[in-house]
Formats: sequence, C-alpha cells, structure tokens
Amino acid sequence: QKEVEQNSGPLSVPEGAIASLNCTYSDRGSQSFFWYRQYSGKSPELIMFIYSNGDKEDGRFTAQLNKASQYVSLLIRDSQPSDSATYLCAVTLSGAGSYQLTFGKGTKLSVIP
Amino acid sequence: DAGVIQSPRHEVTEMGQEVTLRCKPISGHNSLFWYRQTMMRGLELLIYFNNNVPIDDSGMPEDRFSAKMPNASFSTLKIQPSEPRDSAVYFCASRTGTGVYEQYFGPGTRLTVT
Repeated sequence: QKEVEQNSGPLSVPEGAIASLNCTYSDRGSQSFFWYRQYSGKSPELIMFIYSNGDKEDGRFTAQLNKASQYVSLLIRDSQPSDSATYLCAVTLSGAGSYQLTFGKGTKLSVIP
Repeated sequence: DAGVIQSPRHEVTEMGQEVTLRCKPISGHNSLFWYRQTMMRGLELLIYFNNNVPIDDSGMPEDRFSAKMPNASFSTLKIQPSEPRDSAVYFCASRTGTGVYEQYFGPGTRLTVT
C-alpha cells in the first residue's frame, strides 16, 4: 500500500511567523509532488508542485523536496489568518499509477492574529 | 474559463435510493477523476478515466457504485442502492494529458444518506 503521511495537526502559528508543513511518502519511485490547500467546506486548490530535489519558491510559499529521504515540505512565510486551512500533500505513484495522485490526510493550519 | 462543474452541490436521500452525481470537466482536459472525502479516510480515489475510458476502478468500494463517461465533457457516478455509510463529499477532478499532471477539483457534492 503506497502511503502519504502528514501530521494531522492542528498546527498553530502566530500571524507573521513561518509555518512549516511536512509530508513523507513510501513510494520511492514517485516523481511529482503537490501541495493543495482546502478551506473548510471547499474543494482542494492547487498551491504548488515540485518534481526536482531542492527548493521551489512562489511568493510566500516554498516547497522543498528530498527524494533520498522521501520527504516533501511546504513553508509559508509571513503567515496570515487567511492561510488557515487544511493543507494536503499529494504524490504521483510510479509506473502505471503515474496518472494518479495519492493524498495524505492533511495538516490543519491555524494562524492566530 | 469555467472550472470543473459538479451537480448537485448537496444531495440528501434515504437509504436504498439511487443517487447520481454529475461532473463536467474543464474543456480540453482528457483525464477525469472521482474522489470521495470523509473525515476518517481522507481523500480517496474511486475511479479515473483517460480519454473517456475507465483506467482504474480499484477504488470503487463495491458493486453498488458505478461510473460512466459517455463523452469528453460529461461523467456520472451512480450509487444504487445508497447506504448511510456512503455519506461523504464526492469530488470530481480533471487534468490535461501533458505537463506535470496537476489536477483541478470541482466544488464537490455533499451526499447525506439517511
């Protein structure tokens, strides 16, 4: 069973701080990695994707990937109350399953004003 | 551009009734995915289509569930007969056949079976 693991939280950070969200995956052949944000009662919304080792920055968001450790993270700088949501990590499977995304159960982030 | 469209947005039905959920993918997208989300199990892939052909339905929980995609712009997920444990939010997502495989989600259908 290919798995994606996330700490369910809640993760509470003060406004303006850096929020760090982590994800590990079991399929060593996974190629692409995604972060989705889901507000309560809404659908998942794509924030970022990464497929090369290292960091990828987009505004206040930075995705970090370490394939050797099978670890991907999302950093949110200058956290805002509007960032309060559940963040889902998703991973493509290797081989024939590469069309599919396997999702973690999400980490709930709360940014305290 | 319109995103993924799902209907109905909310459905309340009694156990034993047939339920049909509908999805219109983003124009030009050739892969479509049906997911179910619950608090306990998170977001689970039920089935996906590529160019209107079902590729993997191993996530479909049992024979009560069926899905069709008669053309590139329409798909249905049917539950017959429905049971209370089917209560969940059902999402449809679509993606293009090229690029990095990111999927775009519809607003979901919240199903309650009493």
